[in-house]
Amino acid sequence: NAGVMQNPRHLVRRRGQEARLRCSPMKGHSHVYWYRQLPEEGLKFMVYLQKENIIDESGMPKERFSAEFPKEGPSILRIQQVVRGDSAAYFCASARGAQTYEQYFGPGTRLTVT
Amino acid sequence: GESVGLHLPTLSVQEGDNSIINCAYSNSASDYFIWYKQESGKGPQFIIDIRSNMDKRQGQRVTVLLNKTVKHLSLQIAATQPGDSAVYFCAENTGQAGTALIFGKGTTLSVSS
Repeated sequence: NAGVMQNPRHLVRRRGQEARLRCSPMKGHSHVYWYRQLPEEGLKFMVYLQKENIIDESGMPKERFSAEFPKEGPSILRIQQVVRGDSAAYFCASARGAQTYEQYFGPGTRLTVT
Repeated sequence: GESVGLHLPTLSVQEGDNSIINCAYSNSASDYFIWYKQESGKGPQFIIDIRSNMDKRQGQRVTVLLNKTVKHLSLQIAATQPGDSAVYFCAENTGQAGTALIFGKGTTLSVSS
């Protein structure tokens, strides 16, 4: 019974490049949350998606960041024109449904911008 | 040893001691609380949760206490083991459908043999 999967686990990008982070939720889960964790800090919510819908993106920066969760395939968090301040660990969590408060986290993608 | 009181960013204990990690939450509308354990280089791992209609819940070697009057949450770990060394986060949720978790500041627990 596979858990939440994220890839890549580590990603290095130069300033100005694009970063694509992928998240495959647990089997049977159709709700995905993305969080960002800066060094020495707790996780901060970015965006919540259901299949083909963005439900809440209140934590997402207005520019350069976008997220999708297509009908088929993983959820993707895209960061365009990365800057050094984007360096962080990005975690996704999945839940079975909107009424399920228990969220299961993936191992994260550690993005380093050089 | 034990540590009770305000949030501490680090807690060091001896193997076999009981540990108490504290967390203050901010939203009085929060209905659901979770403790997560995060080991180095890994994602948060669910430990135990509690609803606001309870004040105590026990798991295997762990107990969560909720004091809604002062908006305080604590995690007690009995007979702490070296494998318990990690960063512990509390998280809250209003219980509204599809709402995200709000994480508190973590506490780094170090267990020495």
